[in-house]
Amino acid sequence: DQQVKQNSPSLSVQEGRISILNCDYTNSMFDYFLWYKKYPAEGPTFLISISSIKDKNEDGRFTVFLNKSAKHLSLHIVPSQPGDSAVYFCAAKDSGGSNYKLTFGKGTLLTVNP
Amino acid sequence: EAGVTQFPSHSVIEKGQTVTLRCDPISGHDNLYWYRRVMGKEIKFLLHFVKESKQDESGMPNNRFLAERTGGTYSTLKVQPAELEDSGVYFCASSQADEYGYTFGSGTRLTVV
Repeated sequence: DQQVKQNSPSLSVQEGRISILNCDYTNSMFDYFLWYKKYPAEGPTFLISISSIKDKNEDGRFTVFLNKSAKHLSLHIVPSQPGDSAVYFCAAKDSGGSNYKLTFGKGTLLTVNP
Repeated sequence: EAGVTQFPSHSVIEKGQTVTLRCDPISGHDNLYWYRRVMGKEIKFLLHFVKESKQDESGMPNNRFLAERTGGTYSTLKVQPAELEDSGVYFCASSQADEYGYTFGSGTRLTVV
């Protein structure tokens, strides 16, 4: 039973345009959400996060939006750059479980074309 | 600051053999985690150490997997005996207290043939 879903396995965008990566979750106990970026042969790298008490968090070119009623979050990258090409994982923390255990989605491969 | 180091980077073993993966966390990080990604699937939690104590091992698949963290420093994950379905990439991560965005190592790609 997958609690964090990234329904788009891949996404291709042009350099300079906006990339929007989506994530849906089913567990209403999730209270903190994170995005990780992963290059081939490397481990995931923490990118940006958002608490469930907020609906938006911005860090430079990266913005995460949270819609609690829809159990949906999205990562916006603008403008997109070729170096952003990587697999992006959405992850969530359960307020009722182990403090630091994360539940991940399957990832979305983003390709930014020059 | 050195990152999270995992060894080996790749391991190919035959079904029934034993393999031990090692993780050296960032110095001073009390929290250490093991995760696994089977090809094409999500990254799944295996267990969480706080110093040398197992805080949560609810993700360990079965008793063929044994994790230790002697002295609260490096950790090992032993698979004995290995089965075909154990193939995947094993990630280790560490964090300081009250930190959710932890640092991952590059992973160990385990192939059981």
